[in-house]
Amino acid sequence: SAVISQKPSRDICQRGTSLTIQCQVDSQVTMMFWYRQQPGQSLTLIATANQGSEATYESGFVIDKFPISRPNLTFSTLTVSNMSPEDSSIYLCSVEPVGTSQFFGPGTRLTVL
Amino acid sequence: DAKTTQPPSMDCAEGRAANLPCNHSTISGNEYVYWYRQIHSQGPQYIIHGLKNNETNEMASLIITEDRKSSTLILPHATLRDTAVYYCIVRVHNTGTASKLTFGTGTRLQVTL
Repeated sequence: SAVISQKPSRDICQRGTSLTIQCQVDSQVTMMFWYRQQPGQSLTLIATANQGSEATYESGFVIDKFPISRPNLTFSTLTVSNMSPEDSSIYLCSVEPVGTSQFFGPGTRLTVL
Repeated sequence: DAKTTQPPSMDCAEGRAANLPCNHSTISGNEYVYWYRQIHSQGPQYIIHGLKNNETNEMASLIITEDRKSSTLILPHATLRDTAVYYCIVRVHNTGTASKLTFGTGTRLQVTL
């Protein structure tokens, strides 16, 4: 298994601002995933982040809105840029060590006013 | 990834077995069945996965039909702490390259006294 922490756990932000969410894993992993869960909805993948390369974004998500960094094998950040109330969601990172299943962080609950 | 179909909600009395069904009629030969659950406001938690044989761990049992078109997750003695949304996901297993999990709407299990 893998232990994942996220910061912040929650935040309330004003529209037009940006928030950077951090994801830290207790072991080295090749790929990290960022998901979004809008209120009352299921999880949707935003992007996949490999260390040393640009993130791969899913349809409907763009780098300008959700820039991702992956500076090493245990850490990643997701920035939600120029926020609007529609960005209010839970943002989750996950990892999947080789031969195991995918493990999720506790999530970051974002409210945009 | 194959699509799954689950009932939107189920109830179960505490102490009884909870049987959660999942249909995945278009599953491919190399796709596994995964189960995750999400307790309110937390990150999804891995429960169990299997290819074609029945599987059991400390949390649950997974029964996969012989044609692999459906499966059942069994919580043998449900407790109030098992109240959560349960997701059935089919995906190729990670043998070196992780891939995303595609979450459907899941089954909301309510365990009652």
